[in-house]
Amino acid sequence: GIQVEQSPPDLILQEGANSTLRCNFSDSVNNLQWFHQNPWGQLINLFYIPSGTKQNGRLSATTVATERYSLLYISSSQTTDSGVYFCAVRSNDYKLSFGAGTTVTVRA
Amino acid sequence: DAMVIQNPRYQVTQFGKPVTLSCSQTLNHNVMYWYQQKSSQAPKLLFHYYDKDFNNEADTPDNFQSRRPNTSFCFLDIRSPGLGDAAMYLCATSRDRDRVFNEQFFGPGTRLTVL
Repeated sequence: GIQVEQSPPDLILQEGANSTLRCNFSDSVNNLQWFHQNPWGQLINLFYIPSGTKQNGRLSATTVATERYSLLYISSSQTTDSGVYFCAVRSNDYKLSFGAGTTVTVRA
Repeated sequence: DAMVIQNPRYQVTQFGKPVTLSCSQTLNHNVMYWYQQKSSQAPKLLFHYYDKDFNNEADTPDNFQSRRPNTSFCFLDIRSPGLGDAAMYLCATSRDRDRVFNEQFFGPGTRLTVL
């Protein structure tokens, strides 16, 4: 099956800092989603982005499908941005394959 | 707002005592999924319904069953919970399974404790 690698595994930020999370995948995809899992365990949809660039407030994402990677940018980080960020992709079948996640801690 | 709802949010059961988790959706999506997520791991797909068609993952234990009585509701039944079944259970939906409408939306999850 498709392999999904996320980096870095852990990220500690000072409030107000910017950061970039990366997702590499091993095959062509027709779905790529970024999620934020909050401390209560809920997976919140951030972006549906199989290709191109999208922005939503302080967050933006870019997927370069031909080079098989996606980037999630967090600008002016806040303590509420803490949690685990998952990248998940779908190739030719119906299944979402998740990366291992990046754990982000934002310190006040 | 259209959403995916899971009840209860927290469930405590005893070893071997059957338990049912509930998921409902107001999105009118065709596909409903159940995932299991253990601590510090990514979600793992257990099975999904495409309309009324049940699709089990090959490595899902027989202890886990599911029912979808109508479009809106889907249930996860754990027949004889073991200590290893303690986890967060996440329900998700998507409009379809094709290339265009396959974005998945997740509910808040049910955290299961087995005593």
